[in-house]
Amino acid sequence: QKEVEQNSGPLSVPEGAIASLNCTYSDRGSQSFFWYRQYSGKSPELIMFIYSNGDKEDGRFTAQLNKASQYVSLLIRDSQPSDSATYLCAVKEAAGNKLTFGGGTRVLVKP
Amino acid sequence: EPEVTQTPSHQVTQMGQEVILRCVPISNHLYFYWYRQILGQKVEFLVSFYNNEISEKSEIFDDQFSVERPDGSNFTLKIRSTKLEDSAMYFCARDGLGNSPLHFGNGTRLTVT
Repeated sequence: QKEVEQNSGPLSVPEGAIASLNCTYSDRGSQSFFWYRQYSGKSPELIMFIYSNGDKEDGRFTAQLNKASQYVSLLIRDSQPSDSATYLCAVKEAAGNKLTFGGGTRVLVKP
Repeated sequence: EPEVTQTPSHQVTQMGQEVILRCVPISNHLYFYWYRQILGQKVEFLVSFYNNEISEKSEIFDDQFSVERPDGSNFTLKIRSTKLEDSAMYFCARDGLGNSPLHFGNGTRLTVT
C-alpha cells in the first residue's frame, strides 16, 4: 500500500511569515510530486509540481524535493490570509498515471 | 476557470437509486480520471480512462461503478445502486500523462439519503 503522509495541522502562521509544509511518501520509485491547494468545499487547485531533487520556485511558493529521504516540502513566503486553505501533497506512482494524495495540511494565516 | 466542467454541482439521491455524474472537458483531451473525497478524508483515485477504455481502477471502483464517454465529449461516472457511504465529492480530472499534472473539475457533491 503506497502512502503519502502529511501533518494534518492546523499550521497557524502570522501574516507575512513563512509557512513550511512537509510530506513524506513510501513509494521509492515515485517520479512526480504535486502540491494542490483546496479551499473548503472546492476542488484541488494545482500550485506547483516538481520532478528533480532540489528547489523549484514559483512566485511566493517554493517546492523542495529530496528523493533519497522520500520527502517533499512546500514553503509559502509572505503568507496572506487568502493562503488559508488545506494543502494537499500528491505523488504519481512509478507505474501508471494515478495520483496518491496525502491527507492534507490545514494552514491558517492570521492577520 | 476550470478546464473541466462537472454537472450537477450537487446531487441528492435516495439509497439504492442510480446516479450519473457528468464531466465535460473544454478542450479535447484523451486522458480522464474520477476521484472522490469523503468529507474530512483523503482524495481517492477511482478510475482512469484513456482512449475510450478504462486504463486503471482502484479497489473502490467495484461493479456498482461504470464510466463511459458516450458521445466523444461528455465523460460520465455511473453509480448503479447508491449506498450511504457513496456520499462524497466526486472530481473529474484531465491530463496527467507522464509527469504532467492533473487538473480537476469543480466537483459534484453527492449526498445519499
